[in-house]
Amino acid sequence: DADVTQTPRNRITKTGKRIMLECSQTKGHDRMYWYRQDPGLGLQLIYYSFDVKDINKGEISDGYSVSRQAQAKFSLSLESAIPNQTALYFCATRGDTDTQYFGPGTRLTVL
Amino acid sequence: QKEVEQDPGPLSVPEGAIVSLNCTYSNSAFQYFMWYRQYSRKGPELLMYTYSSGNKEDGRFTAQVDKSSKYISLFIRDSQPSDSATYLCAMSFTGGGNKLTFGTGTQLKVEL
Repeated sequence: DADVTQTPRNRITKTGKRIMLECSQTKGHDRMYWYRQDPGLGLQLIYYSFDVKDINKGEISDGYSVSRQAQAKFSLSLESAIPNQTALYFCATRGDTDTQYFGPGTRLTVL
Repeated sequence: QKEVEQDPGPLSVPEGAIVSLNCTYSNSAFQYFMWYRQYSRKGPELLMYTYSSGNKEDGRFTAQVDKSSKYISLFIRDSQPSDSATYLCAMSFTGGGNKLTFGTGTQLKVEL
């Protein structure tokens, strides 16, 4: 089984809809991250969490919110989706070293 | 100017070639340097991790860091079609909030 899982893997939604992307991990890591990936822009950090009570904004948090329900679960919400939020979204975890472990990604399309 | 610059490619090489992938960066505080490999429709996976300057070798892969030039490289020897992927460099520093700064990735295709 994968250490970091994301659901859904693909999602098509309409402008103005609220959607939630979910991430679960079995690595036992405290630190979790949400990134979006766009062609030509690489990976941009949206939010990160050091533990259940510690959540921080990343470079591009506007229009997004997160919830850390447990050590193993970190959800990303788009309160009112817009077309320029169409992207590939990745969840990642980090252990004791500086390396991060990524989930398989969610491909989101906002029409 | 971006903190980390990486040529997007695409880079196409014949099987068996030596591949050189590079990133430059502007923030001299970066201490930890990583290379991730990303296959199409998959998440990035860690390939190499180095701290500070120097070389690190792992099988066909060698990572080099030159902090004086703010330049890092990944070399792939005897490249295989299975190496076809996008390669992302990433870097961080102590006190940087555990955040990684990524390059935009170089797309590599190894042809038979």
